[in-house]
Amino acid sequence: GAGVSQSPRYKVAKRGQDVALRCDPISGHVSLFWYQQALGQGPEFLTYFQNEAQLDKSGLPSDRFFAERPEGSVSTLKIQRTQQEDSAVYLCASSLERQTEAFFGQGTRLTVV
Amino acid sequence: GIQVEQSPPDLILQEGANSTLRCNFSDSVNNLQWFHQNPWGQLINLFYIPSGTKQNGRLSATTVATERYSLLYISSSQTTDSGVYFCAVLNDYKLSFGAGTTVTVRA
Repeated sequence: GAGVSQSPRYKVAKRGQDVALRCDPISGHVSLFWYQQALGQGPEFLTYFQNEAQLDKSGLPSDRFFAERPEGSVSTLKIQRTQQEDSAVYLCASSLERQTEAFFGQGTRLTVV
Repeated sequence: GIQVEQSPPDLILQEGANSTLRCNFSDSVNNLQWFHQNPWGQLINLFYIPSGTKQNGRLSATTVATERYSLLYISSSQTTDSGVYFCAVLNDYKLSFGAGTTVTVRA
């Protein structure tokens, strides 16, 4: 596609529900990233994929967060047993290679009630 | 990790005014990006600038890597320039963001 696409744009979840957020990177981009942006702050790194390999998951806040990219293209960020503190915008980015310019999707705004 | 500081945190401009946003970072980096986050939350790429100066219309950016700072210049500001401007530095594959500068341009 022309840009990074994320779905859904908005998600309201009841506390304790599981959610899955999808990211379609720019076609041909090897690197894929997930970031979390709290209100009024800059995005914070969650995890990094190079093709299908998850090379860094050091930013995932807890073991309730899980990300995958099984075929090296589309990625899914899953949050189990959502908590109120998980409410944030989740941004996906992709880049052609490891140290090249990153392009971001529109984000998914998650609200846990 | 690398610390990224942006200043000022907030900026109010009259339409037509010029301004400078600053980004300081604490360690050497592979590259640096400037973004504009529009009211809908989309991060728009402005510059990918490890060093030197680049210009794009009314915007220009300068990075002095040896002194660990970058500047974003907005000239003849317009109301559509309103939003949050983020600086992000690239260390290996990871982008570290500053807290942003919120720019409000008044007609």
